[in-house]
Amino acid sequence: SQKIEQNSEALNIQEGKTATLTCNYTNYSPAYLQWYRQDPGRGPVFLLLIRENEKEKRKERLKVTFDTTLKQSLFHITASQPADSATYLCALAEGGSTLGRLYFGRGTQLTVWP
Amino acid sequence: GAVVSQHPSRVICKSGTSVKIECRSLDFQATTMFWYRQFPKQSLMLMATSNEGSKATYEQGVEKDKFLINHASLTLSTLTVTSAHPEDSSFYICSATPTGSVEQYFGPGTRLTVT
Repeated sequence: SQKIEQNSEALNIQEGKTATLTCNYTNYSPAYLQWYRQDPGRGPVFLLLIRENEKEKRKERLKVTFDTTLKQSLFHITASQPADSATYLCALAEGGSTLGRLYFGRGTQLTVWP
Repeated sequence: GAVVSQHPSRVICKSGTSVKIECRSLDFQATTMFWYRQFPKQSLMLMATSNEGSKATYEQGVEKDKFLINHASLTLSTLTVTSAHPEDSSFYICSATPTGSVEQYFGPGTRLTVT
């Protein structure tokens, strides 16, 4: 069966450290993968998109890697801050998907403590 | 750029009534919009894909006669929950993809409570 698994449901780290979130998928052939941030009671906010032929993408303190052999994407937040506390979702779209349909993981709730 | 709005943000209605939720792309045109629902501590579940000028495509298990979708223009899609029941209470979120792009942008969501 198809699955998208995000490491743990919750991740707690100290301010200033690097947070690393994992997204593993099974029985998908993604053309690209997107990472979102979601705060309670709000819609997801787009962060980064990485395509199947890209190994790494960066945006300010954020970095995403994509390994199609391992069927895994890693999402890193460097120099984390309490304001980074939120739920982070990974979502993928399959190759050949004509409508951009996204499949979502359940998310990892990140808490950054001072 | 790439802002999606939803209205209303919260709505409470009585069982048996209908509720309309609007989704607008404010600064881009979107040929395709998507409607999701999300239960507490659950992931987003796609309900339907809305294409401008044509009928929506519904996911398996979603009643198209209950969840009416209209994508009347390149910047507006509406979801109408007909004859709402308490089990329809949920967080409804729309998203839109700028024409020619694959990045998907989400609205702030609508909290529906059916009493």
